[in-house]
Amino acid sequence: NAGVMQNPRHLVRRRGQEARLRCSPMKGHSHVYWYRQLPEEGLKFMVYLQKENIIDESGMPKERFSAEFPKEGPSILRIQQVVRGDSAAYFCASSPLGQGATTGITEAFFGQGTRLTVV
Amino acid sequence: KQEVTQIPAALSVPEGENLVLNCSFTDSAIYNLQWFRQDPGKGLTSLLLIQSSQREQTSGRLNASLDKSSGRSTLYIAASQPGDSATYLCAGKHYGQNFVFGPGTRLSVLP
Repeated sequence: NAGVMQNPRHLVRRRGQEARLRCSPMKGHSHVYWYRQLPEEGLKFMVYLQKENIIDESGMPKERFSAEFPKEGPSILRIQQVVRGDSAAYFCASSPLGQGATTGITEAFFGQGTRLTVV
Repeated sequence: KQEVTQIPAALSVPEGENLVLNCSFTDSAIYNLQWFRQDPGKGLTSLLLIQSSQREQTSGRLNASLDKSSGRSTLYIAASQPGDSATYLCAGKHYGQNFVFGPGTRLSVLP
């Protein structure tokens, strides 16, 4: 059972380009979380998705950022018209049960992250 | 709004010492608390998960405790080794909400 897979591991984009970050959750996990880690800062929640649904996007910037988790395929975090301030490590986590679960384990497993550099 | 803090921010100890990392959270209505390890330039590795109904969890040389009433969790590392050097993060989770992370404790174990 492979862990959470993120690709690419490193991504370089020029200002104004689009960045697409992919996350494949662990087998059997249908809940995905995206976090951003700025240099020398902690992890900040961005968005929580379940298959075909955005459950909580309270941490997402209002503009340029979007996320999806289609019925088939990986979850995608998309950043349009990137700026230098978007440079960060973006981590994806998956869990077998969602935030609203009252029973069972909601342990989160993280991928290795995508390090985005905007030049 | 849940806030998570960690003390100390950085810690340097000689190999073989037992040490304690602290995590505090402002809202005691926590659903579970998870400790992670992050190596430089790498992702997060889950170490221990404590459910709200539990008081502690153990894995090898690691022991994590949870005291909801005081809003604290501690991670105890016994007989530290240079390979334990990393940043340790705690994250609290409320029912229906996402994980909220502390800023981390950067640990260096000197040979």
